[in-house]
Amino acid sequence: EADIYQTPRYLVIGTGKKITLECSQTMGHDKMYWYQQDPGMELHLIHYSYGVNSTEKGDLSSESTVSRIRTEHFPLTLESARPSHTSQYLCASNRAGVAGELFFGEGSRLTVL
Amino acid sequence: GQSLEQPSEVTAVEGAIVQINCTYQTSGFYGLSWYQQHDGGAPTFLSYNGLDGLEETGRFSSFLSRSDSYGYLLLQELQMKDSASYFCAVRARMDSSYKLIFGSGTRLLVRP
Repeated sequence: EADIYQTPRYLVIGTGKKITLECSQTMGHDKMYWYQQDPGMELHLIHYSYGVNSTEKGDLSSESTVSRIRTEHFPLTLESARPSHTSQYLCASNRAGVAGELFFGEGSRLTVL
Repeated sequence: GQSLEQPSEVTAVEGAIVQINCTYQTSGFYGLSWYQQHDGGAPTFLSYNGLDGLEETGRFSSFLSRSDSYGYLLLQELQMKDSASYFCAVRARMDSSYKLIFGSGTRLLVRP
């Protein structure tokens, strides 16, 4: 089993609040990713990182930001949450040179009221 | 741009065989992956095809034809626990990096 953890699993907050979704992996993977997925829909890449101090925006524009200060940790932050941010956020990782296989966390389901 | 197409829903009977197709249009194509996701769960990796042909892993097989921009996932001896969503995902090189772009998923319902 993959060792990648996300907290919180579920979060309900009010508009305007700042939130941080945590993601940690214990596999020593260089590459980490954040995907956004609405129920029954495809996964959209919103951020990725190829190593410490490396972060890039993905294909879907997002108001969230990420940081990668340690290899194992890749948190996602929303400075001011809005109802349009309601979604599931999935963190994933893989080892450099391994093609096509991502290990996903269980996801953080965010509801903004 | 990038696009992937797969059927939205497929229904099959327990013990049967089902094929889920995926067609894609993408630049910088490197390979095709398949993922399974149960309701409320995380996507889990099933297979990856970097070359044309068939890859077999137990009850699951995956096929790729680069010339046809087409692949499929074949599930044999279907079990009730196979009811889930199945996503094809293209591995493509874009902007000096490799990315995994997901299709919209096929919801498989296995009936007794």
